[in-house]
This record gives sequence, C-alpha cells and structure tokens, in this order.
Amino acid sequence: GAGVSQSPSNKVTEKGKDVELRCDPISGHTALYWYRQSLGQGLEFLIYFQGNSAPDKSGLPSDRFSAERTGGSVSTLTIQRTQQEDSAVYLCASSLGIGDTDTQYFGPGTRLTVL
Amino acid sequence: SQQGEEDPQALSIQEGENATMNCSYKTSINNLQWYRQNSGRGLVHLILIRSNEREKHSGRLRVTLDTSKKSSSLLITASRAADTASYFCATGGHYQKVTFGTGTKLQVIP
Repeated sequence: GAGVSQSPSNKVTEKGKDVELRCDPISGHTALYWYRQSLGQGLEFLIYFQGNSAPDKSGLPSDRFSAERTGGSVSTLTIQRTQQEDSAVYLCASSLGIGDTDTQYFGPGTRLTVL
Repeated sequence: SQQGEEDPQALSIQEGENATMNCSYKTSINNLQWYRQNSGRGLVHLILIRSNEREKHSGRLRVTLDTSKKSSSLLITASRAADTASYFCATGGHYQKVTFGTGTKLQVIP
C-alpha cells in the first residue's frame, strides 16, 4: 500500500507569510508525528498525535506553529508569520501506535525555505 | 530534550571495514530501534530490539542492548559505500512518544 506522503515537497516563501504543510499518513495508523530537521542536524520533535487523545505539543517552538489532524487521518502543520530560522526540512511520520514493535514510517519531507 | 544520544557524532571508515555506533538513553524502555537517513529526507527503519533481548542480527547489521547501562550499539559489518548515511536510535512507541537520538553520520570511503 501507499506510504506516508507529504506535500509540497519544496516550499519557498517570503518572511512573514503563512505556510501550510500537509501529511497523509498510512491508513489505519493512529500515531502521527511532526519533526523538523535543520541542515546537518538531528530530528527536532514538534508534535505527536495518538488516536483521539489530546496532542503532545511540547515540541512546538513558538505559538506561530500549530498542527491539526482531521478525522484521525490527514494532518496539517501551519507556520504563521514565517521567519528565516524556520527554514528546514519538515518530516512527518506515522505508526500503528500500539504494540511493542511499533515502527515509524516517514514521509519524504517538505523542504521549507524562508527568504 | 533528546532521549538518546549517539556517539560518535561522525565516523569515517574504508569500505570493507566494520562500523560501530553507540546509543545511550535515559529512561526505561520497551524497545529500541535504529533508523537510517539518506540525504536529509525521511528515515527508514532498520531494526528493533526488545528490552528483554540482548542481541539481534539482520543481514550485515548487529544490534546489542544493555539495559543495565541504558545503551545500545549498532554494528555494520563489511561496510559498503552505499551505507553512507546518518543513523539514529529511537525509543518509545506503544502509546509512548517516540524520541530520537542525535544521530551518527557515517561515511564509507570506496
């Protein structure tokens, strides 16, 4: 079946504009994660959705960042009033969310460039 | 903050040599996983080891886990140029947030 997809693959925007990044997880996966990765750096956790539970937003760097997951499936990460330091690759991952062999499946990422 | 930390941060070896990467973590775990990342894009799952296992093999990969030391190692034997990538350990899952280590950048020189 289809894997995790993300769109757009690349996004160039001007400082101060809002952007929306989309993630389509694997069907049936209850857990969904957003990460940010700056060039040459490790993964920075942003937000975690698990089923109908309240999302873990502890990784969001500022109130300019928000995310939604509609109907337990598609998720949108919104960055308002983008800044140059927001430039990074934004990765989405999904997993079944249960079982002691729970494995994450990653999308290809969205490369965001803020000019 | 990161749950896991890998060392070394970077490793450069000749093709055919073995590569060993280590991961240390802070809290108790159900399992530990290793992932690989090429070219700054999505990570790919390599291998999972449960907390009650001490060693696991998959092809040229060998993972060990020492829960008393809260550490794991990933060994890649007979390395190839195509193994050049970043490698991350991760803990969590099963209703627990998965957290990743800081990663080891491996370069295999042909």
